[in-house]
Amino acid sequence: AQTVTQSQPEMSVQEAETVTLSCTYDTSESDYYLFWYKQPPSRQMILVIRQEAYKQQNATENRFSVNFQKAAKSFSLKISDSQLGDAAMYFCAYRKLHTGANSKLTFGKGITLSVRP
Amino acid sequence: DAGVIQSPRHEVTEMGQEVTLRCKPISGHDYLFWYRQTMMRGLELLIYFNNNVPIDDSGMPEDRFSAKMPNASFSTLKIQPSEPRDSAVYFCASSRTWTEAFFGQGTRLTVV
Repeated sequence: AQTVTQSQPEMSVQEAETVTLSCTYDTSESDYYLFWYKQPPSRQMILVIRQEAYKQQNATENRFSVNFQKAAKSFSLKISDSQLGDAAMYFCAYRKLHTGANSKLTFGKGITLSVRP
Repeated sequence: DAGVIQSPRHEVTEMGQEVTLRCKPISGHDYLFWYRQTMMRGLELLIYFNNNVPIDDSGMPEDRFSAKMPNASFSTLKIQPSEPRDSAVYFCASSRTWTEAFFGQGTRLTVV
């Protein structure tokens, strides 16, 4: 079974600084997607970034980028120039590519990020 | 597109009562997921559907929980009878095959 592990329950960063959130996963599959979601206090789940496992290039979305290490099964999120609005809970998620209907989306337990002004 | 629509946003009910949560997925999406979020257990997958067919309900905690998807535009999650430990935020999400899921705003359920 696929598992997603976020070992740090909380992190804090100074405004304008850079922070990295860690995620590891366990799978025997070779083709899959990885995602980072953000959940602000409004509780809405918002997709931040996604990475296809077959792509070697790390995904980037503005101030958000990932460090995808397939062999190590590691998928960390880097937030540059942190802003107060980045304060939220962040979830790492895994979804395997499957030609059949079996396509579960599995989440880690999340990490709470606070941003200090 | 209006996104995934869940109703109600908040539900307060008494222990023993039946609770029905509703979800309208994004048109064209063939997967629908029901998740439960609590402080202790995080985001748990309860059940998911593909083309209206339940694929995996192994996350449904017990027989008091049931979910249906009678058509491509509607799903329900029912708890009967409800218990205080069912208090949580319940999310519905939908997706196309293999891609990211889009979430509704969730239903905060409180069972007293």
